[in-house]
Amino acid sequence: GAVVSQHPSRVICKSGTSVKIECRSLDFQATTMFWYRQFPKQSLMLMATSNEGSKATYEQGVEKDKFLINHASLTLSTLTVTSAHPEDSSFYICSARPGSGNTIYFGEGSWLTVV
Amino acid sequence: ELKVEQNPLFLSMQEGKNYTIYCNYSTTSDRLYWYRQDPGKSLESLFVLLSNGAVKQEGRLMASLDTKARLSTLHITAAVHDLSATYFCAVENTGNQFYFGTGTSLTVIP
Repeated sequence: GAVVSQHPSRVICKSGTSVKIECRSLDFQATTMFWYRQFPKQSLMLMATSNEGSKATYEQGVEKDKFLINHASLTLSTLTVTSAHPEDSSFYICSARPGSGNTIYFGEGSWLTVV
Repeated sequence: ELKVEQNPLFLSMQEGKNYTIYCNYSTTSDRLYWYRQDPGKSLESLFVLLSNGAVKQEGRLMASLDTKARLSTLHITAAVHDLSATYFCAVENTGNQFYFGTGTSLTVIP
Protein backbone atom coordinates (compact mmCIF):
# COMPACT_ATOMS: atom_id res chain seq x y z
CA GLY A 1 0.00 0.00 0.00
CA ALA A 2 0.92 3.65 -0.18
CA VAL A 3 3.55 4.75 2.29
CA VAL A 4 4.82 8.08 3.43
CA SER A 5 8.33 7.97 4.81
CA GLN A 6 10.11 10.51 6.97
CA HIS A 7 13.80 10.89 7.57
CA PRO A 8 15.41 11.12 10.00
CA SER A 9 13.21 9.46 12.58
CA ARG A 10 15.24 11.04 15.37
CA VAL A 11 17.65 13.93 15.32
CA ILE A 12 19.51 15.90 17.95
CA CYS A 13 20.96 19.27 17.06
CA LYS A 14 22.61 22.13 18.88
CA SER A 15 20.88 25.42 19.50
CA GLY A 16 21.38 27.83 16.67
CA THR A 17 21.91 25.23 14.01
CA SER A 18 19.51 24.16 11.28
CA VAL A 19 18.06 20.74 10.71
CA LYS A 20 16.23 19.30 7.72
CA ILE A 21 13.47 16.71 7.83
CA GLU A 22 12.37 14.91 4.70
CA CYS A 23 8.93 13.58 3.82
CA ARG A 24 8.65 11.23 0.87
CA SER A 25 5.71 9.57 -0.76
CA LEU A 26 7.13 6.23 -1.76
CA ASP A 27 4.69 4.93 -4.34
CA PHE A 28 2.47 7.80 -5.31
CA GLN A 29 2.76 11.40 -6.35
CA ALA A 30 1.58 14.11 -4.03
CA THR A 31 1.10 17.67 -5.19
CA THR A 32 0.25 18.62 -1.64
CA MET A 33 1.79 17.51 1.62
CA PHE A 34 1.12 18.71 5.12
CA TRP A 35 3.38 19.28 8.09
CA TYR A 36 2.23 18.91 11.68
CA ARG A 37 3.93 19.42 15.01
CA GLN A 38 3.14 17.63 18.22
CA PHE A 39 4.52 18.63 21.60
CA PRO A 40 4.62 15.95 24.30
CA LYS A 41 1.20 14.94 25.53
CA GLN A 42 -0.48 17.41 23.23
CA SER A 43 -2.43 17.18 20.02
CA LEU A 44 -1.12 17.57 16.49
CA MET A 45 -1.11 21.09 15.14
CA LEU A 46 -1.07 21.85 11.45
CA MET A 47 1.96 23.97 10.65
CA ALA A 48 1.81 24.40 6.92
CA THR A 49 0.62 23.08 3.61
CA SER A 50 3.41 22.23 1.22
CA ASN A 51 2.62 22.78 -2.45
CA GLU A 52 4.73 21.26 -5.20
CA GLY A 53 6.35 23.97 -7.27
CA SER A 54 5.03 26.87 -5.26
CA LYS A 55 5.30 28.49 -1.85
CA ALA A 56 4.01 26.76 1.22
CA THR A 57 0.98 28.08 3.05
CA TYR A 58 1.60 28.57 6.74
CA GLU A 59 -0.90 28.47 9.57
CA GLN A 60 -1.34 31.50 11.72
CA GLY A 61 1.43 31.79 14.27
CA VAL A 62 3.95 29.64 12.39
CA GLU A 63 7.05 31.57 11.34
CA LYS A 64 7.71 30.93 7.69
CA ASP A 65 11.29 32.17 7.94
CA LYS A 66 12.02 29.75 10.74
CA PHE A 67 10.30 26.70 9.30
CA LEU A 68 11.36 26.56 5.68
CA ILE A 69 9.36 24.21 3.50
CA ASN A 70 10.44 23.10 0.07
CA HIS A 71 8.36 20.84 -2.17
CA ALA A 72 10.63 20.48 -5.15
CA SER A 73 9.20 17.29 -6.56
CA LEU A 74 5.95 15.35 -6.51
CA THR A 75 7.37 12.86 -4.03
CA LEU A 76 9.42 14.97 -1.65
CA SER A 77 8.78 17.79 0.77
CA THR A 78 11.37 19.04 3.22
CA LEU A 79 10.99 20.98 6.44
CA THR A 80 14.04 22.88 7.62
CA VAL A 81 14.04 24.23 11.15
CA THR A 82 16.43 27.15 11.09
CA SER A 83 18.28 28.57 14.07
CA ALA A 84 16.78 25.87 16.24
CA HIS A 85 15.95 26.54 19.86
CA PRO A 86 15.18 24.04 22.61
CA GLU A 87 11.50 25.04 22.41
CA ASP A 88 11.46 23.71 18.84
CA SER A 89 11.99 20.23 20.24
CA SER A 90 8.94 18.32 19.14
CA PHE A 91 7.55 15.47 17.08
CA TYR A 92 7.10 16.52 13.46
CA ILE A 93 4.75 14.52 11.23
CA CYS A 94 3.95 14.89 7.57
CA SER A 95 1.02 13.60 5.57
CA ALA A 96 0.11 13.20 1.93
CA ARG A 97 -2.76 11.94 -0.14
CA PRO A 98 -2.59 10.30 -3.55
CA GLY A 99 -4.31 12.18 -6.32
CA SER A 100 -7.38 9.98 -6.10
CA GLY A 101 -9.09 8.27 -3.21
CA ASN A 102 -9.98 9.22 0.32
CA THR A 103 -7.05 7.75 2.16
CA ILE A 104 -4.50 10.11 3.61
CA TYR A 105 -1.20 8.71 4.75
CA PHE A 106 0.88 9.93 7.66
CA GLY A 107 4.61 9.55 7.95
CA GLU A 108 6.24 7.79 10.87
CA GLY A 109 7.21 11.11 12.39
CA SER A 110 10.52 12.72 13.26
CA TRP A 111 11.64 13.46 16.78
CA LEU A 112 13.67 16.65 17.01
CA THR A 113 15.62 17.45 20.15
CA VAL A 114 17.45 20.74 20.33
CA VAL A 115 20.13 20.91 23.02
CA GLU B 1 -10.62 28.63 12.29
CA LEU B 2 -11.88 25.10 12.62
CA LYS B 3 -11.84 23.90 16.22
CA VAL B 4 -12.12 20.31 17.31
CA GLU B 5 -12.76 19.30 20.89
CA GLN B 6 -12.70 15.89 22.44
CA ASN B 7 -13.87 14.67 25.77
CA PRO B 8 -12.85 13.28 28.01
CA LEU B 9 -9.16 14.18 27.82
CA PHE B 10 -8.25 11.33 30.12
CA LEU B 11 -10.12 8.09 30.55
CA SER B 12 -9.33 5.28 32.92
CA MET B 13 -11.58 2.30 32.60
CA GLN B 14 -11.68 -1.28 33.74
CA GLU B 15 -11.40 -4.17 31.39
CA GLY B 16 -14.76 -5.34 30.19
CA LYS B 17 -16.46 -1.99 30.53
CA ASN B 18 -17.96 0.19 27.81
CA TYR B 19 -17.35 3.87 27.21
CA THR B 20 -17.76 6.58 24.59
CA ILE B 21 -15.37 9.31 23.50
CA TYR B 22 -16.94 12.42 22.00
CA CYS B 23 -15.61 14.69 19.28
CA ASN B 24 -17.23 18.04 18.56
CA TYR B 25 -16.17 20.37 15.79
CA SER B 26 -16.98 23.94 14.97
CA THR B 27 -17.62 24.19 11.24
CA THR B 28 -19.33 22.21 8.56
CA SER B 29 -17.45 19.15 7.44
CA ASP B 30 -18.42 15.65 6.40
CA ARG B 31 -14.98 14.11 6.61
CA LEU B 32 -14.07 12.87 10.04
CA TYR B 33 -11.24 10.56 10.98
CA TRP B 34 -10.26 8.63 14.09
CA TYR B 35 -6.66 7.73 14.86
CA ARG B 36 -4.84 5.84 17.51
CA GLN B 37 -1.41 6.90 18.73
CA ASP B 38 0.84 4.78 20.91
CA PRO B 39 3.60 6.51 22.90
CA GLY B 40 6.43 7.70 20.69
CA LYS B 41 4.70 6.55 17.53
CA SER B 42 2.91 8.14 14.62
CA LEU B 43 -0.78 7.80 13.87
CA GLU B 44 -2.63 4.60 13.12
CA SER B 45 -5.80 5.09 11.10
CA LEU B 46 -8.89 3.58 12.71
CA PHE B 47 -11.90 4.96 10.89
CA VAL B 48 -12.80 7.25 8.04
CA LEU B 49 -16.33 8.69 8.18
CA LEU B 50 -17.42 10.50 5.07
CA SER B 51 -21.13 11.14 5.38
CA ASN B 52 -23.85 12.01 7.84
CA GLY B 53 -25.02 8.95 9.70
CA ALA B 54 -21.91 6.93 8.85
CA VAL B 55 -21.20 4.15 11.29
CA LYS B 56 -18.16 1.90 11.18
CA GLN B 57 -17.06 -0.89 13.44
CA GLU B 58 -13.82 -2.73 13.86
CA GLY B 59 -13.44 -5.16 16.70
CA ARG B 60 -14.30 -3.49 19.98
CA LEU B 61 -14.41 0.01 18.48
CA MET B 62 -17.31 1.66 16.72
CA ALA B 63 -17.36 5.18 15.30
CA SER B 64 -20.28 7.29 14.14
CA LEU B 65 -20.77 10.69 12.59
CA ASP B 66 -23.60 13.20 12.87
CA THR B 67 -22.71 16.10 10.61
CA LYS B 68 -25.76 18.11 11.59
CA ALA B 69 -24.75 18.05 15.24
CA ARG B 70 -21.07 18.29 14.26
CA LEU B 71 -20.43 15.34 16.51
CA SER B 72 -18.60 12.07 16.18
CA THR B 73 -18.37 9.33 18.76
CA LEU B 74 -15.95 6.50 19.32
CA HIS B 75 -17.54 3.75 21.36
CA ILE B 76 -15.47 1.16 23.15
CA THR B 77 -17.10 -2.14 23.97
CA ALA B 78 -15.75 -4.52 26.60
CA ALA B 79 -12.39 -2.79 26.82
CA VAL B 80 -9.17 -4.76 26.93
CA HIS B 81 -5.70 -3.65 27.98
CA ASP B 82 -4.44 -3.56 24.38
CA LEU B 83 -6.74 -0.62 23.70
CA SER B 84 -4.70 1.62 26.00
CA ALA B 85 -3.46 4.48 23.81
CA THR B 86 -4.28 8.06 22.88
CA TYR B 87 -7.16 8.50 20.46
CA PHE B 88 -7.55 11.51 18.21
CA CYS B 89 -10.38 12.60 16.01
CA ALA B 90 -9.56 14.86 13.09
CA VAL B 91 -11.74 16.92 10.80
CA GLU B 92 -10.72 17.59 7.23
CA ASN B 93 -11.55 20.87 5.59
CA THR B 94 -12.09 21.50 1.91
CA GLY B 95 -8.36 22.16 1.47
CA ASN B 96 -7.49 18.63 2.67
CA GLN B 97 -6.02 20.06 5.86
CA PHE B 98 -6.58 18.13 9.06
CA TYR B 99 -7.51 19.69 12.36
CA PHE B 100 -7.05 17.36 15.25
CA GLY B 101 -8.99 17.06 18.45
CA THR B 102 -7.35 17.47 21.81
CA GLY B 103 -6.90 13.73 22.15
CA THR B 104 -8.19 11.24 24.71
CA SER B 105 -5.64 9.30 26.69
CA LEU B 106 -7.19 5.92 27.44
CA THR B 107 -5.89 3.58 30.10
CA VAL B 108 -7.56 0.21 30.48
CA ILE B 109 -7.01 -1.29 33.90
CA PRO B 110 -7.02 -5.06 34.38
